[in-house]
Amino acid sequence: DVKVTQSSRYLVKRTGEKVFLECVQDMDHENMFWYRQDPGLGLRLIYFSYDVKMKEKGDIPEGYSVSREKKERFSLILESASTNQTSMYLCASRKRTSTNIQYFGAGTRLSVL
Amino acid sequence: GQQVMQIPQYQHVQEGEDFTTYCNSSTTLSNIQWYKQRPGGHPVFLIQLVKSGEVKKQKRLTFQFGEAKKNSSLHITATQTTDVGTYFCAGSPRGGYNKLIFGAGTRLAVHP
Repeated sequence: DVKVTQSSRYLVKRTGEKVFLECVQDMDHENMFWYRQDPGLGLRLIYFSYDVKMKEKGDIPEGYSVSREKKERFSLILESASTNQTSMYLCASRKRTSTNIQYFGAGTRLSVL
Repeated sequence: GQQVMQIPQYQHVQEGEDFTTYCNSSTTLSNIQWYKQRPGGHPVFLIQLVKSGEVKKQKRLTFQFGEAKKNSSLHITATQTTDVGTYFCAGSPRGGYNKLIFGAGTRLAVHP
């Protein structure tokens, strides 16, 4: 079974703090993704990574950056957290094959006060 | 930009009733996927449709992909309480194979 692990289930941070959300997958997947999930808006793509050290902006990258130094780990960074970044953050990974199935982690619910 | 619209946003049914959720894309898709997210859980892949007009069944669930590859539907026959959750469609745009564009989801509540 594919396992995608997000480091924290719940996180509370203050406005202006630098926040790191970590995601690790154990299936040697090339592609990894960060989404945020908000009620009524579904899942919106923040950033994705094709492979190690490669990254591409998604639909809502403003206020975020990412790091992919190792194949199994994809980090999402909020340089200076703001209250409008309070959300559920979901990490996903995908094998670079002819299918496009994404496997999701359990999510991190971030509250910025 | 490319969008996938999904309706309805919420659906409340009595156990045993049928349920359908619909997705429409602003552009032609390479394929479409469906995911289910249980309350408090994360999205889990259900199925992928690739061919124009394709119909696939999983027990009580029937998935369809439109002829123009711009719309899709999920139909559940005789809902059960275990069907509760949010159902998302996610389209892979042509030329954007690595990306999925998710619909906003349909939250299904089933009353016993």
